[in-house]
Amino acid sequence: KQEVTQIPAALSVPEGENLVLNCSFTDSAIYNLQWFRQDPGKGLTSLLLIQSSQREQTSGRLNASLDKSSGRSTLYIAASQPGDSATYLCASQGGSEKLVFGKGTKLTVNP
Amino acid sequence: DAGVIQSPRHEVTEMGQEVTLRCKPISGHNSLFWYRQTMMRGLELLIYFNNNVPIDDSGMPEDRFSAKMPNASFSTLKIQPSEPRDSAVYFCASVEHAGHEQYFGPGTRLTVT
Repeated sequence: KQEVTQIPAALSVPEGENLVLNCSFTDSAIYNLQWFRQDPGKGLTSLLLIQSSQREQTSGRLNASLDKSSGRSTLYIAASQPGDSATYLCASQGGSEKLVFGKGTKLTVNP
Repeated sequence: DAGVIQSPRHEVTEMGQEVTLRCKPISGHNSLFWYRQTMMRGLELLIYFNNNVPIDDSGMPEDRFSAKMPNASFSTLKIQPSEPRDSAVYFCASVEHAGHEQYFGPGTRLTVT
């Protein structure tokens, strides 16, 4: 059974700092890995999706990497802004369409 | 497109009552997912449909929960009878094709007293 872990559970940084969020998964036989953002009281917004054959994906200040062999993915946020404050969740997809989610990292970017 | 639409956004009910949550997926999307989110357990998949057919309901906690998708544009999740431990945020999500990004609705916050 796939297990997805995100460490740390919470992170607080000053504005402008570059930061990395970590995601690990136990079963490397994944189809893809997705990163989501969740604002308080809101649904999830998809940020990046990395197919199993890819090593990374980039969107603006965000860069997500995937290392299947080690069961790890990272989300890199460059030049963080207060508007980046949210909870970030990663989810792995196996052979079916099911996503298995980590519990998220709550990010606070202080002005 | 308006995105995934869920209703109601908030529901407060008494233990023992029937609760029906509704979801309209994005037009043209083939699969629909129901999730439940709690502080303790995080996001859990309850059930998902592909082309209106239930594919995997292994996450449905017990027989009190049921879900239907009568057509491509509508799905319901029903809890009967509801219990306080069912209090959570319930999300609906849809995806165009397997392996593509899932798009989530705003969720329904359910409180059972």
